[in-house]
Amino acid sequence: NAGVMQNPRHLVRRRGQEARLRCSPMKGHSHVYWYRQLPEEGLKFMVYLQKENIIDESGMPKERFSAEFPKEGPSILRIQQVVRGDSAAYFCASSPQGPGNTIYFGEGSWLTVV
Amino acid sequence: DAKTTQPPSMDCAEGRAANLPCNHSTISGNEYVYWYRQIHSQGPQYIIHGLKNNETNEMASLIITEDRKSSTLILPHATLRVTAVYYCIGADSNYQLIWGAGTKLIIKP
Repeated sequence: NAGVMQNPRHLVRRRGQEARLRCSPMKGHSHVYWYRQLPEEGLKFMVYLQKENIIDESGMPKERFSAEFPKEGPSILRIQQVVRGDSAAYFCASSPQGPGNTIYFGEGSWLTVV
Repeated sequence: DAKTTQPPSMDCAEGRAANLPCNHSTISGNEYVYWYRQIHSQGPQYIIHGLKNNETNEMASLIITEDRKSSTLILPHATLRVTAVYYCIGADSNYQLIWGAGTKLIIKP
């Protein structure tokens, strides 16, 4: 069984560039969640999406960050004009239905801004 | 969401049971206790969760006190493979989990 697939695993961007992180949920899962983890810290919730809808983006920074989960294809977390402080591990998780179901995590995408 | 308190690190001898404590004294009646672990440079892995009753699955057992103010995750027969950071989380919404720093479990051969 394929788990939650994230790519790229590692991404290096210069300040001011754009970063795009992709997430394919587990088969049969239509709910996707994005988290960010800074070094030596726990995960922080960013956004919860269902196909074509953003359900909860209360954890997303107000500027430069956006997320989508189109009808076809993976979910995308997009960070525009990256800054050094965006360097972190970004984890995607999915669940078959909404809150109340166990969520399963991908292996993460490590973004380094130089 | 409930704030949880865990020891920053614990040692356990290989082959013994590892008992990881968690205090969640402010947990409310509808908040579950979730446990995840994270091996270095990997994504978090779900272990177990519970509300009131003790729970057991193929990975671990979860013992929740009657007043629900604390819980213990039990890993039977710890092996080197279970060395990880273990997170105890209290939440009524499983996606907005409030993650603390967790307990770093070190298995000693």
